[in-house]
Formats: sequence, C-alpha cells, structure tokens
Amino acid sequence: ETGVTQTPRHLVMGMTNKKSLKCEQHLGHNAMYWYKQSAKKPLELMFVYNFKEQTENNSVPSRFSPECPNSSHLFLHLHTLQPEDSALYLCASATRLTRGGNTEAFFGQGTRLTVV
Amino acid sequence: DQQVKQNSPSLSVQEGRISILNCDYTNSMFDYFLWYKKYPAEGPTFLISISSIKDKNEDGRFTVFLNKSAKHLSLHIVPSQPGDSAVYFCAASDGNKLVFGAGTILRVKS
Repeated sequence: ETGVTQTPRHLVMGMTNKKSLKCEQHLGHNAMYWYKQSAKKPLELMFVYNFKEQTENNSVPSRFSPECPNSSHLFLHLHTLQPEDSALYLCASATRLTRGGNTEAFFGQGTRLTVV
Repeated sequence: DQQVKQNSPSLSVQEGRISILNCDYTNSMFDYFLWYKKYPAEGPTFLISISSIKDKNEDGRFTVFLNKSAKHLSLHIVPSQPGDSAVYFCAASDGNKLVFGAGTILRVKS
C-alpha cells in the first residue's frame, strides 16, 4: 500500500466510449503524474501537475485529457481511443520535485486499459 | 528521444552472487536519480536514490553508483536473493519530472 489509489484497476472500452481514470492520494504531496506503460517500452511520462497546475504535457494526443481539481485528485479523461492505447496507466505523486531534491514518487497500482 | 536508457532488457543471476543493473542518461539537467522495483500487477516501488553531488549511496544490500562524467549509473545488489526477481527501472529527475528507462528484468535463480 503506497498511499496512492487508482480506480478502476481494469477497464475495457470501445473506441467510441468516454471513460475516466481516477487517482487519489492523501500523502500531502503536491506533484502528481500520469505515466503510460506499454509492452516492452519505457514508462512514458504523459502529464505532470505541480500545485494543481499542469507543468508538462509530453506530446500526448488530445484524446487523453487530464484534470487536477485539487492536489489530492488527478483524473485522466479518455475519448475515442485507439487499440494501440491499450496499456497500463500509472499515477504517481511526490512532494514537489526541486533541483537536487531528495524525494521519490509513490505509484498507484495502475489501471490496465484495453481498447477494443 | 529516450533520455534514460537501460540497454539490458534482462539479467539472470545465481542466488548469492552480485546483480549489476546499468542505466545511461543523456540530459545534463538531471540531478537526482532513483531506482524502482516493479512486480507484476503492481506499481513501481522506490528502492534507492542518489543526488548528483554524490557518487555512491548504499542501503543494505543495495548500492547505487553514479558517474556523472559518463552519464551512467548502476545498481548493485549483493547478495542477490530470489525475492529480488522483478523489473528494475532507473529514473532521473530535473526538478520538474521523473523520466524512466525501459526497465531490466532481473531473475535470481536459486
């Protein structure tokens, strides 16, 4: 148990569906991240939020839309996805990273997404 | 452009021996480095880290070495145990984000 909770754990959706992934942490962290893990690829950073402000969008297609209403919650809204978007989506939180800062990110268990 | 690279997809080691996992990075703005361990169906969990002002950090059986001039870090596990079998990710931070490598699957044989 890392203190970061992701729901749902598994999701199957059609290409025309709209769904949302949820991430929640009550660790007092103020940086939250979405990562994507596809088979045989690195953990790909998608979005970074620091103090509820998006500070990084790693060239993610607009069919993925993040939302961070407060520092404890992070959503990833999904719309008209493609089969190649099937992957494990991981949320992480950390105290705000600083240059040379010694902090680690805590990960949720991920949402296994399958697009059919 | 992959800024953090783990060039060995897998490593197999005998129990009791040393496991050495390697990681290279390209971005000179990275100043903090971490290793994560991941079991199937779980998120990565933090293992050990090192700041760029150091060249070594040790925690029990785990030691991380950093060679800034070569932009290279490594994780040593001594002695290796079967429970260490997992995927190991190297990560680097520039103060705003964590960038991960592709991971190395470590198998420790008993």
